[in-house]
Amino acid sequence: DTEVTQTPKHLVMGMTNKKSLKCEQHMGHRAMYWYKQKAKKPPELMFVYSYEKLSINESVPSRFSPECPNSSLLNLHLHALQPEDSALYLCASSDSGTSGGGGADTQYFGPGTRLTVL
Amino acid sequence: AQSVAQPEDQVNVAEGNPLTVKCTYSVSGNPYLFWYVQYPNRGLQFLLKYITGDNLVKGSYGFEAEFNKSQTSFHLKKPSALVSDSALYFCAVRGMDSSYKLIFGSGTRLLVRP
Repeated sequence: DTEVTQTPKHLVMGMTNKKSLKCEQHMGHRAMYWYKQKAKKPPELMFVYSYEKLSINESVPSRFSPECPNSSLLNLHLHALQPEDSALYLCASSDSGTSGGGGADTQYFGPGTRLTVL
Repeated sequence: AQSVAQPEDQVNVAEGNPLTVKCTYSVSGNPYLFWYVQYPNRGLQFLLKYITGDNLVKGSYGFEAEFNKSQTSFHLKKPSALVSDSALYFCAVRGMDSSYKLIFGSGTRLLVRP
């Protein structure tokens, strides 16, 4: 089973709201990722967690706050977002966490959360 | 710097005909190469990857890709296209010195007409 699940599927929020995106995998993967994808563009890496520790932050604004409560779960907390943050947010996981999922490891993606910021 | 190029924004092919989606890469050292497919409003689905060894890699849904080191290419192919193959395809590369980051191409939209 190579399933990564994400909730909610869709989210509409105002610029003053606080919301969270959730991601879960039960493949025993030790690296987990958040990506942002605009329409018809490739995914852009935001964060990488390796063994539940933040390994990479790709200079993401502080209004996005990741959290990894355990090895199966990854959250993305959202606060004071801007309309330009509207996008598809993808979670992924991969087997090796020793270096953030490197080498030949395959990243498996969830279906994404479609976020609209009004 | 590592990079991936997908020179075609869109590829059009008739159902039953062979299809090719092109990808070239630039990376220091030996690359790890991946192909993903994305259907509308969905996440990326892994198709296949090249690590080492046989230059012809077989993947899901009848797709295959040919690694060509001299041309730094990794083109995706399928002998007989289906209408259901219509989607957005991404090539990605990770160099051996890049531990975590996948570098994605810009994507190629494949349209298979009946």
